Amino acid sequence: GAGVSQSPRYKVAKRGQDVALRCDPISGHVSLFWYQQALGQGPEFLTYFQNEAQLDKSGLPSDRFFAERPEGSVSTLKIQRTQQEDSAVYLCASSPRQGRATHEQYFGPGTRLTVT
Amino acid sequence: TQLLEQSPQFLSIQEGENLTVYCNSSSVFSSLQWYRQEPGEGPVLLVTVVTGGEVKKLKRLTFQFGDARKDSSLHITAAQPGDTGLYLCAFPNSNSGYALNFGKGTSLLVTP
Repeated sequence: GAGVSQSPRYKVAKRGQDVALRCDPISGHVSLFWYQQALGQGPEFLTYFQNEAQLDKSGLPSDRFFAERPEGSVSTLKIQRTQQEDSAVYLCASSPRQGRATHEQYFGPGTRLTVT
Repeated sequence: TQLLEQSPQFLSIQEGENLTVYCNSSSVFSSLQWYRQEPGEGPVLLVTVVTGGEVKKLKRLTFQFGDARKDSSLHITAAQPGDTGLYLCAFPNSNSGYALNFGKGTSLLVTP
């Protein structure tokens, strides 16, 4: 079956540009997560949606990062005025479960963002 | 703050060898997961361990959760090139219960 898809797979942005990263979760999955994975590191949590509600954005590194999931399916992570330290792989994950039971997450292939 | 330490950081072995990688913490976990991430892909869940002392097998992979639920190991028997990848352990964040906290991973290279 179709898994989590992300687009674009690769994005090169000049410092100061805005970028938008898209995630298509598995159909019917209630929960959606964004993670940031720097080179040589494990993924780090950014934000969590339950349907269209953003229940946790505690991991967003600055107010330049914004995420939305307006209809409870597709999600977009937007980064304004990109900085070199934003260079990383951005992973999206979805889960059919919600709340504290969302421990099994299905990850997309990620978007590799390079800020020059 | 709960932290996961994974060791070794890098491992390069030849096909057919056995290996063990470790995931350790000073904190007790309600559960722990192991993922494998191949280059250019997202992590893929291998197993979830919940009970202290639990052992789970997945073909040539054997996962063990420590009795005190503070550590875990992954043993691979007769490694194959297809086992190459980044092995990550993760646990549910104690505050949120849904966000996963990952270790830095063990990067495994199996050469023919």
